[in-house]
Amino acid sequence: DAGVTQSPTHLIKTRGQQVTLRCSPKSGHDTVSWYQQALGQGPQFIFQYYEEEERQRGNFPDRFSGHQFPNYSSELNVNALLLGDSALYLCASSSPRGNQPQHFGDGTRLSIL
Amino acid sequence: GENVEQHPSTLSVQEGDSAVIKCTYSDSASNYFPWYKQELGKRPQLIIDIRSNVGEKKDQRIAVTLNKTAKHFSLHITETQPEDSAVYFCAAFGGATNKLIFGTGTLLAVQP
Repeated sequence: DAGVTQSPTHLIKTRGQQVTLRCSPKSGHDTVSWYQQALGQGPQFIFQYYEEEERQRGNFPDRFSGHQFPNYSSELNVNALLLGDSALYLCASSSPRGNQPQHFGDGTRLSIL
Repeated sequence: GENVEQHPSTLSVQEGDSAVIKCTYSDSASNYFPWYKQELGKRPQLIIDIRSNVGEKKDQRIAVTLNKTAKHFSLHITETQPEDSAVYFCAAFGGATNKLIFGTGTLLAVQP
């Protein structure tokens, strides 16, 4: 039973560039949430996707966008990268039925130079 | 907005002692409270969770208590072991926004 998988594991970009991160949910899950975790801090909610639509959004600018595909996998896109976007980006999957546990992937470490 | 406060930020205990981490949430409509353990460079792993219709839940050496009136919930680890050393995050879900809001984390160090 595959857990949540994310790719790539590490990424280095420069300011102003664009990046796409990918996530495949745990088998049986159809809801994907994305989080940003800066060094030494807790994960911050970016947004959640269900049925290929953004269902909830945190306090992140429009430079952060996403997509969910029919197979429930998801992408996180960040445009016009800033130094402050350097962080660990975590994907979590869950079932939408009630308050179900969210299971995290290993994350993508994004470094902006 | 929604907020989850977590204390202490660091906790050092001797092997075999108990450890307690406390969290307070602001949204009284929150109804689900998971706890995650994150080792250095690894993913957050769900270790226990509790829903608002339950006051206490236990799983071997780990227990969580919830006081809805005071909007407090706590993680209790008994008979701590060096492998319990990690950062622990509490979180609250539900309410008006249906978002999972995390606390700031507690670095637990278990000294052998």
